[in-house]
Amino acid sequence: NAGVMQNPRHLVRRRGQEARLRCSPMKGHSHVYWYRQLPEEGLKFMVYLQKENIIDESGMPKERFSAEFPKEGPSILRIQQVVRGDSAAYFCASSPDRVRSTDTQYFGPGTRLTVL
Amino acid sequence: GESVGLHLPTLSVQEGDNSIINCAYSNSASDYFIWYKQESGKGPQFIIDIRSNMDKRQGQRVTVLLNKTVKHLSLQIAATQPGDSAVYFCAEIISGTYKYIFGTGTRLKVLA
Repeated sequence: NAGVMQNPRHLVRRRGQEARLRCSPMKGHSHVYWYRQLPEEGLKFMVYLQKENIIDESGMPKERFSAEFPKEGPSILRIQQVVRGDSAAYFCASSPDRVRSTDTQYFGPGTRLTVL
Repeated sequence: GESVGLHLPTLSVQEGDNSIINCAYSNSASDYFIWYKQESGKGPQFIIDIRSNMDKRQGQRVTVLLNKTVKHLSLQIAATQPGDSAVYFCAEIISGTYKYIFGTGTRLKVLA
């Protein structure tokens, strides 16, 4: 059973470009979470999605950032007009069940975004 | 020894010794806690979890202790090995929500 997959693993963009980060959850998981991690810091929640629905995007900047989880295909975190401050590691996690609010989230390897 | 500064707190232990990593959580309503291990360049890896109706839970070479009175969590690693070198994060989950709140992390260095 493959784990959470993210690509690309490393992404370099120049200021003003767009960054697209993809996440495929574990098989059987229908809930996806995106987190951001700055160097030497813990992970900060950004957004929680189910298939075709954004459940909670309270941790995501209102401008330039968007996320989707279509019926088919991976979840996408999109950052438009990137700035140097967007440089960070972005992690995706997935969980199988929302009946219980405390289902374990399993993390992918992350995408390290560098903005030049 | 342990050091705290602008960087992550670091715990250095001799190979074969036991390690204890501590975490203070913030919210009395949190009822589920997880320890994650993050190796350099990788995503957090689940180690062990504990629910608030328990004080202690044991896994293979790891034990998690929960003290709800002082809102404190610890991870004990027995017979620490070089492969245990990583950053360890605790996460607290508040009942009825799905948002994981991560601690700042502790870097564990295993000395040969």
